[in-house]
Amino acid sequence: EAGVAQSPRYKIIEKRQSVAFWCNPISGHATLYWYQQILGQGPKLLIQFQNNGVVDDSQLPKDRFSAERLKGVDSTLKIQPAKLEDSAVYLCASSLASYSFEQYFGPGTRLTVT
Amino acid sequence: SQQGEEDPQALSIQEGENATMNCSYKTSINNLQWYRQNSGRGLVHLILIRSNEREKHSGRLRVTLDTSKKSSSLLITASRAADTASYFCATAENTPLVFGKGTRLSVIA
Repeated sequence: EAGVAQSPRYKIIEKRQSVAFWCNPISGHATLYWYQQILGQGPKLLIQFQNNGVVDDSQLPKDRFSAERLKGVDSTLKIQPAKLEDSAVYLCASSLASYSFEQYFGPGTRLTVT
Repeated sequence: SQQGEEDPQALSIQEGENATMNCSYKTSINNLQWYRQNSGRGLVHLILIRSNEREKHSGRLRVTLDTSKKSSSLLITASRAADTASYFCATAENTPLVFGKGTRLSVIA
């Protein structure tokens, strides 16, 4: 079974620039999550999709972050414009259904904003 | 917040010893999950224990859950150098998982 795929693996941008991350979940997984993990901390949920609908985006900074999941499969997370404090690892995860199930994580994208 | 808090923050043991880490949380849950994160394999699910369960085993892992004390423990027996990683507990109660800050385990060969 193929795992969760993410790209790019690393990205360095200057503040105020834009960046986009891509995620392809495990086939058949209805639920997709984007997390932000700052060094030394646990992952923090940014947004959760169930198929192509948003279940929870309460911690997504909507003035600069946006995400979509077209056709209930792949997803993209965008930051525009980036700030220094956005430097973190962005993790995508998927699960069969909701939080009652284990989540499978991708390798993450390490973003550095200079 | 129902965020789990792991204890200790860091743990260093010799290979072959057992490692125990704890997680405390504040509100009711319907399940608690443990994850491991290292640079080689990213964040990996280890075990899920539901609120009506008290103990689960998976290989060298043993997880206990005490809902009356709102706490869980993860025991790794006969540790190996490859167990060196950060371990996170995550809790859920009809809401998305909330992760703690993790315990950094170092197993010295």
